[in-house]
Amino acid sequence: QKEVEQDPGPLSVPEGAIVSLNCTYSNSAFQYFMWYRQYSRKGPELLMYTYSSGNKEDGRFTAQVDKSSKYISLFIRDSQPSDSATYLCAMSGNSGTYKYIFGTGTRLKVLA
Amino acid sequence: SQTIHQWPATLVQPVGSPLSLECTVEGTSNPNLYWYRQAAGRGLQLLFYSVGIGQISSEVPQNLSASRPQDRQFILSSKKLLLSDSGFYLCAWIRWPSDTEAFFGQGTRLTVV
Repeated sequence: QKEVEQDPGPLSVPEGAIVSLNCTYSNSAFQYFMWYRQYSRKGPELLMYTYSSGNKEDGRFTAQVDKSSKYISLFIRDSQPSDSATYLCAMSGNSGTYKYIFGTGTRLKVLA
Repeated sequence: SQTIHQWPATLVQPVGSPLSLECTVEGTSNPNLYWYRQAAGRGLQLLFYSVGIGQISSEVPQNLSASRPQDRQFILSSKKLLLSDSGFYLCAWIRWPSDTEAFFGQGTRLTVV
């Protein structure tokens, strides 16, 4: 079983839709949960991070972590064509482990 | 400010040839350094990470090795490349415990022919 699982998509939505992206994980040592956005042929860029469980909101983006279910989500409200990219979740542990694991990424296309 | 340099940007190598990709970080000390590989249309696969000079952790046994001869230098190597080694290689650094963001180099697109 992979440590981090993410549906690769592709996911196509109309402009203005609410997008839900998800990852599941198996390693209970993970404490930091990140979402990255990657455009073609570029390195990923950090969108948001959350420590432990809970929600975090930044503009149109909301990140949720449910450690009891080992499940994290990223919601994008009022999606725009410029949001079209690959979205990767990433996770890492606290002191004692320095692995920084990425999901496979979900390719999102927002149609104008 | 911190920057990460990775080179070369593109590389075409024949099967069986050696490989050396270099990554250096400026503006920080004792960074945690990582090598990832991304196959076409796929996510980032963690290959190696290092928490200090000479300290290498391997995540996936394969045809590659890594070394960290200096605090800010991380090298990815292979003695004999395979076709399956083709991909987009990214070096990243993370400054624990004060930061959770991974900063990436520009990446190396390796094609083994």
